[in-house]
Amino acid sequence: KNEVEQSPQNLTAQEGEFITINCSYSVGISALHWLQQHPGGGIVSLFMLSSGKKKHGRLIATINIQEKHSSLHITASHPRDSAVYICAVGSGDKLTFGTGTRLAVRP
Amino acid sequence: DGGITQSPKYLFRKEGQNVTLSCEQNLNHDAMYWYRQDPGQGLRLIYYSQIVNDFQKGDIAEGYSVSREKKESFPLTVTSAQKNPTAFYLCASSIVTGTEQYFGPGTRLTVT
Repeated sequence: KNEVEQSPQNLTAQEGEFITINCSYSVGISALHWLQQHPGGGIVSLFMLSSGKKKHGRLIATINIQEKHSSLHITASHPRDSAVYICAVGSGDKLTFGTGTRLAVRP
Repeated sequence: DGGITQSPKYLFRKEGQNVTLSCEQNLNHDAMYWYRQDPGQGLRLIYYSQIVNDFQKGDIAEGYSVSREKKESFPLTVTSAQKNPTAFYLCASSIVTGTEQYFGPGTRLTVT
């Protein structure tokens, strides 16, 4: 079993839909990261959180430490949100990464 | 503009040759990292450095070497001992280890 599990692996949505991507982990962590990887390969850090909820524009990230679970929500999705979303958990000096959720938003 | 640069974007080498991937940052970050990404797998840590002249092996260091002679630079050498070097390589940096990481654009290495 992987230490970081994401679901779904692939997601197709219609423009405007509310999207949820889930991340579960099995190890103790100091923080959880959500990253976005565009088709060219570059990765952008979206959130780093250790408790509660963070919001940035149309993106919301939540974490439940007791349940070892985090969600990334995208409101009013847009085709430019199409990317791979990666969950990573930090413990000590290192990050452990999930395999990513590939999101395609159709106009 | 502050950021991380990796060059080249695409690199092709013959089997048996060593190749060095460049990573430079002007963010004044102490920590730097090298990751490898393969299809269907999460990023895996090759090496990381917490400070100049210091580095530690990650989860898949075999067949790779690094140096950290300057704060801004953390080059990765893929040696001929690496059994399956074809992959996408990403460099990252952070203020210190355990904080938010900033990623470079990546280098896609193909070895034939």
